[in-house]
Amino acid sequence: DIQMTQSPSSLSASVGDRVTITCQASQDISNYLNWYQQIPGKAPKLLIYDVSNLETGVPSRFSGSGSGTDFTFTISSLQPEDIATYYCQQYDNLSVTFGQGTRLEIK
Amino acid sequence: EVQLVESGGGLVQPGGSLRLSCSASGFTFSTYAMHWVRQAPGKGLEHVSGISSYGGSTYYADSVKGRLTISRDNSKNTLNLQMSSLRAEDTAVYYCVKAWGSGYPGVGFNYWGQGTLVTVSS
Repeated sequence: DIQMTQSPSSLSASVGDRVTITCQASQDISNYLNWYQQIPGKAPKLLIYDVSNLETGVPSRFSGSGSGTDFTFTISSLQPEDIATYYCQQYDNLSVTFGQGTRLEIK
Repeated sequence: EVQLVESGGGLVQPGGSLRLSCSASGFTFSTYAMHWVRQAPGKGLEHVSGISSYGGSTYYADSVKGRLTISRDNSKNTLNLQMSSLRAEDTAVYYCVKAWGSGYPGVGFNYWGQGTLVTVSS
C-alpha cells in the first residue's frame, strides 16, 4: 500500500502568515494527489485536486504544488476561518490513502 | 443539491454485525464511484472501502478485508456497508462519500455525508 507522510502534525501560526504543509508519498503517485480541509465537527471538504487545481468556490489563498512523491499545500495569508485539520490523499493505482493530518491553530 | 444521508450506526458488541446504508440524491448515482471513509474518535481519516459506478469492482483496506462488504443498488440510489466480526478498533464515524470523475476511484471526494457513528463495545 502507498503510505502518505504529512508534516508537521500540528502547526500554530498568526493571521496573515504564510502556512506550508508537506506530504510525501512512499512511491511515485504522479499527480494523483488531493487536499482536504476538516473543520472540527464537520465532514471533510475537498479543496484541491490533482495537486494544484482548486475546487470551485475555494479561495485563491489556497494552493498546491509538487509531483511524483513530494507535495506542498500552502495558505498564502492565514485567515481565522482556516482553523482546521488538513489532509492529503493519494488515489493512484486503484488505492486510496490519506495522510495523518495537520492540525492548524491560530497563535 | 447533492445529499448523502447515512443510517444504521449504533452500539454493537465485539464480534457483532451492523449494516450501514447511504441514501443518495441530487446526482446521477450510477455514474460515480462511491466510498466509505471512517474516522475514529480524535483520529485521522481512513479509506475503508470503495465501489465502482456499476458495482462490478470493490476495494477494501487491509484492516477490514473479509469483514466488511460494500454494495450498491443503483435502482434505489443506495450505498451499503455490511459489517461483521466487528472489533473495538472499528469504532468510528463512517462517512458515505461520492467521488467525481470517471472510473475508479474517481478523482476527488467532492461530497460527504454527515457521518454515522459506530461504537463497538461490550
